[in-house]
Amino acid sequence: QSALTQPASVSGSPGQSITISCTGTSSDVGSNNLVSWYQQYPGKAPKLLIYEVTERPSGVSNRFSGSKSGDTASLTISGLQAEDEANYYCCSYARFSTLVFGGGTKLTVL
Amino acid sequence: EVQLLESGGGLVQSGGSLRLSCAASGFTFNNYAMGWVRQAPGRGLEWVSFISGSGGSAYYADSVKGRFTISRDNSKNTLYLQMNSLRAEDTAVYYCAKATSLVGATAFDSWGQGTLVTVSS
Repeated sequence: QSALTQPASVSGSPGQSITISCTGTSSDVGSNNLVSWYQQYPGKAPKLLIYEVTERPSGVSNRFSGSKSGDTASLTISGLQAEDEANYYCCSYARFSTLVFGGGTKLTVL
Repeated sequence: EVQLLESGGGLVQSGGSLRLSCAASGFTFNNYAMGWVRQAPGRGLEWVSFISGSGGSAYYADSVKGRFTISRDNSKNTLYLQMNSLRAEDTAVYYCAKATSLVGATAFDSWGQGTLVTVSS
């Protein structure tokens, strides 16, 4: 159950698009389409942004989108806004019905 | 509106035990798997455990297997986490979370506010 690999930080200017990668293995990300993404503000509970690689829960902005290729999943945020500054975590269903999170990525809006 | 309210956190000595509870409302509790996710101070999220909607299947992270037990009382709409043989590295905010499906917890679409567990060594 090793953590998925995410960049520690990414940044972008308002209006730009950024992509956060999430790299796993053939035992987790590469083995299914059950990757999810969460947004977390400091001191707050996480919020689900994306599930099953590309699906958005109702109420989540369509500026957030997900994709996957092989063992790497990605979260793209388009039209970056100041309110998007937060921590982002990927998560994947893995072998033996377990879950594994990424180490998290801090997004800074310049 | 889905509401998840954790309780039971606190300060405990290494080797001790605690039981966390999570009272759920706003949805049909037994139709969804439920889970626990923790976050150590200044660190990332770590999945701990999840249980199916019926309570018949439960799964654990290697870091807590054999020490923690997840359970649920569907008549009380309440999720539990019994934590034994606690270690300093178990110190974290523990979040209760509702899964998006009945059997497997592949994603969590609602979260509680968290309860802090501090294990002193």
